[in-house]
Amino acid sequence: DIQMTQSPSSLSASVGDRVTITCRASQSISNYLNWYQQIPGKAPKLLIYAASTLQSGVPARFSGSGSGTDFTLTISSLQPGDFAIYYCQQTYSTWTFGQGTKVEIK
Amino acid sequence: QVQLVESGGGLVRPGGSLRLSCTASGFALSDYYMSWIRQAPGKGLEWLSYLGSSGTIRYYADSVRGRFTISRDVANNSLFLQMNNLRAEDTAVYYCARVSLMATIIYYFDYWGQGTLVTVSS
Repeated sequence: DIQMTQSPSSLSASVGDRVTITCRASQSISNYLNWYQQIPGKAPKLLIYAASTLQSGVPARFSGSGSGTDFTLTISSLQPGDFAIYYCQQTYSTWTFGQGTKVEIK
Repeated sequence: QVQLVESGGGLVRPGGSLRLSCTASGFALSDYYMSWIRQAPGKGLEWLSYLGSSGTIRYYADSVRGRFTISRDVANNSLFLQMNNLRAEDTAVYYCARVSLMATIIYYFDYWGQGTLVTVSS
């Protein structure tokens, strides 16, 4: 199975900060990479699919990049509603999620 | 609008069985792949299974293959997960999700239900 490793596991940031989360695949997955946001107690929400395509309705401060094995999710200016856990997911083979990155308020 | 509502969770003893349901509205199950995902308390997301739009293609994660079965009722627009031989480590919130496709090859979960809690304990 393809392993997905996110870094960092958690981070503290302030409103207005630029935040970058990294996801690394154990083998090349082309651009078969999605990002989700989960607020504790709620269902996950799709942010980005195919590595860089913004889901309809998701604010433009979220962006994704990468291909092959290395991917990033960037929040250009952190907003109060963005404090959550972020997961990457590969759908190249036997779909798997990363372990999550918790974004906390500094 | 698209909505997914899970039901059927609860407390079950180890070795027991449970059947989860996911009722869809706003789209036809027969037009989409569907999937089940779970989240153990305080843990991350674990993909479990998908069912193809034709209803004939099924795939399972190693952790549940042979114990869980995904199926659907097109007439009632409902997805199911039959879970047998349950273990304590199956305790989790179970989500159903609609699977969409980009360029016919890139899958992603664009709608999720609110989840249903399954607790396996004696």
